Order: sequence, then structure tokens, then C-alpha cells
Amino acid sequence: SAVISQKPSRDICQRGTSLTIQCQVDSQVTMMFWYRQQPGQSLTLIATANQGSEATYESGFVIDKFPISRPNLTFSTLTVSNLSPEDSSIYLCSVMEGVGNTIYFGEGSWLTVV
Amino acid sequence: DQQVKQNSPSLSVQEGRISILNCDYTNSMFDYFLWYKKYPAEGPTFLISISSIKDKNEDGRFTVFLNKSAKHLSLHIVPSQPGDSAVYFCAASANGNKLVFGAGTILRVKS
Repeated sequence: SAVISQKPSRDICQRGTSLTIQCQVDSQVTMMFWYRQQPGQSLTLIATANQGSEATYESGFVIDKFPISRPNLTFSTLTVSNLSPEDSSIYLCSVMEGVGNTIYFGEGSWLTVV
Repeated sequence: DQQVKQNSPSLSVQEGRISILNCDYTNSMFDYFLWYKKYPAEGPTFLISISSIKDKNEDGRFTVFLNKSAKHLSLHIVPSQPGDSAVYFCAASANGNKLVFGAGTILRVKS
């Protein structure tokens, strides 16, 4: 499976600021996704990062709060804007590949908002 | 609406015994099911999957069973090892669309 690297792995941010998370994949992939796992909860899909066009957001997530870039088939960024403590979460980049469209995850980026 | 449910928040098993993790779903359109394992401070790791055209898939110590009529799947780990202690997520998708995850089950394997 593809190797997925995320930066930063962990950060503590002040409320009202923004954090941009980078995701680098070691091979070209068509489908890239951003998930969130809030404390004690399951994984929730934020959006599908589309190469060369706007991301497709799930219900409850908007572009102003979670702008996403996908400049090529190996890289994507997720920005979490105007941070509040409720944004404290693990943010996970993932790709879909292989027979059956299995999704593989990066190591995650742990965000704490203070 | 929680389409994928893992009703057991935690499970404790003795080393060497079988671990059985359960998952129920409500959407009859789901045709692909996966299990992920997650250690603290790491991203989820894909374990095993099963297509709806099968009722069993085996990979080493891990076997997934699918009962479509009951909309139920289970993950069997045998023999269980202390390194298997983690959170296990069940996930499902329909027609290659987005994965829907369950809430997870914490497995503790005692040595």
C-alpha cells in the first residue's frame, strides 16, 4: 500500500488561529480523503480532496472552516481555520487504492486548541 | 443515523484465547466491509476486508465473517496476543462510496 506522511504530527494552537496539515503520498493516487477523530469518537469523513478542483465536503463541514488543496496526485493540505477548543482532534489523511477500494490512513495529526 | 454499530465499547480476552469483535449495520446497500486496528498516537491500520459476495475471509490469525441476512459481521482473532490490544473499527461502504465507521471496540488482551 501507499506510504502516507502527515505533517505536523502534533501541534498546540491558540484559539482563533489556523493550522495547515500537509499530506504527502509516495505514489500517485486518485482518491484522497480527510477524516477527523474527535476524542472518544469514531472516524468522520470531512471531505474528499479532488485533484484540480474544489473538495467535496460532507454534511456539517464547510470550505470556509476546512479549506483543502490538492495541487497534484501525491499531495494535499487541510487547513482548520478560526480554531476553537472543539476542533481539538486527530486529523487523518487517507487514500483509496487496491482491489475493493480499501482506504489507507496516514499517522494522523494531533491538534490541541488552547 | 448510525449505520454501522459496534455495540461493545470494550472487550477483555486472555492471551491465547479467541477474540470476537462484532459489528452490525443497517444499510442493505453496503457491499464492502473492512476492519481497522488503531493504536494510541497512530493512524488506523487496515486489517482485513470482505466483499458482500462472500461470507468469510481469512488472513492468518484474523478471520472476518459476514452474515448478510442478519446484517452482521464479526472479526475473529485467534490466538489473541498482547500486541493485539488496540481499538478496532468496523467500516462499510456502498458502491465504492465513502466509508462509514463504527464507534470502535477497545480490545485488551491479558497475558
